[in-house]
Amino acid sequence: EPEVTQTPSHQVTQMGQEVILRCVPISNHLYFYWYRQILGQKVEFLVSFYNNEISEKSEIFDDQFSVERPDGSNFTLKIRSTKLEDSAMYFCARDADPFGNTIYFGEGSWLTVV
Amino acid sequence: SQQGEEDPQALSIQEGENATMNCSYKTSINNLQWYRQNSGRGLVHLILIRSNEREKHSGRLRVTLDTSKKSSSLLITASRAADTASYFCATDAGGTSYGKLTFGQGTILTVHP
Repeated sequence: EPEVTQTPSHQVTQMGQEVILRCVPISNHLYFYWYRQILGQKVEFLVSFYNNEISEKSEIFDDQFSVERPDGSNFTLKIRSTKLEDSAMYFCARDADPFGNTIYFGEGSWLTVV
Repeated sequence: SQQGEEDPQALSIQEGENATMNCSYKTSINNLQWYRQNSGRGLVHLILIRSNEREKHSGRLRVTLDTSKKSSSLLITASRAADTASYFCATDAGGTSYGKLTFGQGTILTVHP
């Protein structure tokens, strides 16, 4: 099954700027996720989104992060005021089907904060 | 060690050899998934094994799960240079945390032609 499509593939931003990462699911699914991977480190769960609401979030997902699905299609991750330590690869993911359990990931968006 | 720890951290083999990677975890799981990541690319799903399964095959991949030891192994048979990548196990506790995967540090596999 195809994964989700993420944009941009790479973004460089100044510290303190707002960044919006976008994810477009290929087909209609219920569960969406954001994960991140700091260079050389583990992939970490950020947030899960179900039925247009946050289902669960990690400690990393603090007030500077937000997610939404504004038009019922695109799924976005917003970082309000970026910090150097936000530099990472951000992955959008979706479930295979409502009870499939398999989680499919997009190609990721590299965020570099300078 | 933390949930989803793989060993070895790095594995270097010749083409045609088998590669075995291990994963240990600490808490109970609903399923365990293995992913591959080529350098700087996305995570490609390889195989999922549920907590009530002991072994699963997919092409050249064989995954085992021992819930009593809280461990899993991924075997790639007859490896190819194209198998060179990082391999991660990820556990899903299920329930209200559906889809919240906990990843290990990964095993870097290098297959020499």
